[in-house]
Amino acid sequence: DAGITQSPRHKVTETGTPVTLRCHQTENHRYMYWYRQDPGHGLRLIHYSYGVKDTDKGEVSDGYSVSRSKTEDFLLTLESATSSQTSVYFCAISEGTGGFADTQYFGPGTRLTVL
Amino acid sequence: KNQVEQSPQSLIILEGKNCTLQCNYTVSPFSNLRWYKQDTGRGPVSLTIMTFSENTKSNGRYTATLDADTKQSSLHITASQLSDSASYICVVSRTGTASKLTFGTGTRLQVTL
Repeated sequence: DAGITQSPRHKVTETGTPVTLRCHQTENHRYMYWYRQDPGHGLRLIHYSYGVKDTDKGEVSDGYSVSRSKTEDFLLTLESATSSQTSVYFCAISEGTGGFADTQYFGPGTRLTVL
Repeated sequence: KNQVEQSPQSLIILEGKNCTLQCNYTVSPFSNLRWYKQDTGRGPVSLTIMTFSENTKSNGRYTATLDADTKQSSLHITASQLSDSASYICVVSRTGTASKLTFGTGTRLQVTL
């Protein structure tokens, strides 16, 4: 999984609670991404980062926030989890400066269930 | 609207047989097209990348084709193995400031004995 770890790998939580997912890379790549994957949908971009403290929204960013205080860590926070956020979350990284034009390498995923 | 459509949604083949997966896209302006393999419970892994000028690219038993005029791509798997059982995802990227990725929903391939 290209030097990417995600934690936790599985989480069950209750509606209304905050949740933070962590993505850690050992590759020192500039770009990092958070996606969610749901049945019947392709992977959808939540947020991405193009450097420390530099982040931008993706297509499904409502209800999510991110932070990147160091190159190797990219955190995804669900401010108040809802059942619609039950999903599998993937972190990805890409080398180079081409951003989305470069090949992305994905982590193993976090399966989140919101009851 | 930028879309990527894949067919079939699922496919079952016998080990040793060949198969072809299809990807049609409406993404514009086109930058490149990638095929990813996603094993159950794991993240996607890149198989091939094709740019506008490339028609065919191989990676072992995987051969991808691209027809930029008709906006179609295919992934051909030769002499399938049990380990080829996975979802195969077509991903298209756009050029310019709006360069994000558009993902297909994937084709789920099962290779059986």
